[in-house]
Amino acid sequence: AQSVTQPDIHITVSEGASLELRCNYSYGATPYLFWYVQSPGQGLQLLLKYFSGDTLVQGIKGFEAEFKRSQSSFNLRKPSVHWSDAAEYFCAVGARSNTGKLIFGQGTTLQVKP
Amino acid sequence: NAGVTQTPKFQVLKTGQSMTLQCAQDMNHEYMSWYRQDPGMGLRLIHYSVGAGITDQGEVPNGYNVSRSTTEDFPLRLLSAAPSQTSVYFCASNRERSSYNEQFFGPGTRLTVL
Repeated sequence: AQSVTQPDIHITVSEGASLELRCNYSYGATPYLFWYVQSPGQGLQLLLKYFSGDTLVQGIKGFEAEFKRSQSSFNLRKPSVHWSDAAEYFCAVGARSNTGKLIFGQGTTLQVKP
Repeated sequence: NAGVTQTPKFQVLKTGQSMTLQCAQDMNHEYMSWYRQDPGMGLRLIHYSVGAGITDQGEVPNGYNVSRSTTEDFPLRLLSAAPSQTSVYFCASNRERSSYNEQFFGPGTRLTVL
């Protein structure tokens, strides 16, 4: 069965520090991979996505993610975190089929210290 | 272009009451879905629709009904609310049924069942 695991429920970093949020997936083939961000009281916004090709993908707000097939991982990174990045982050996988369904991880809450 | 809209934003129900959460999109998207978000569990798919007149169950469909009479609207019905249905509900839409496409999320409805 497809599944997504975000091992870190809560992460705190200082403003200006680098960030890496982990995501591991279980799927029979290479799925579509996504990172979404949810600011407090808001819906989800797409940060970036991976479908094929270059395994390092760039997204909005200075985020990037790297797909590693051998590790079944799709970790999100940012070189320098801003206070406005405080939010909840979700990794998701979608099947390469005609269903449109996504499976989400449990989410990682990011707190940014001044 | 309003995107995906949801009403109401907040709702309190008593056990056994019924209600309908409304969802509409003005992007002429083929695919629509409902998720519930609970702490530590990420987003779980309740029901989805790949077009007008076509709906299917997701991961947690029990206690919920849906219908899709038009492309624009995808209401979620709770026939007899239970405290276990206390959650935040998100509606989302895709341009087409493939999960290749970005899902656009509404702002959510926070439901409390007493």
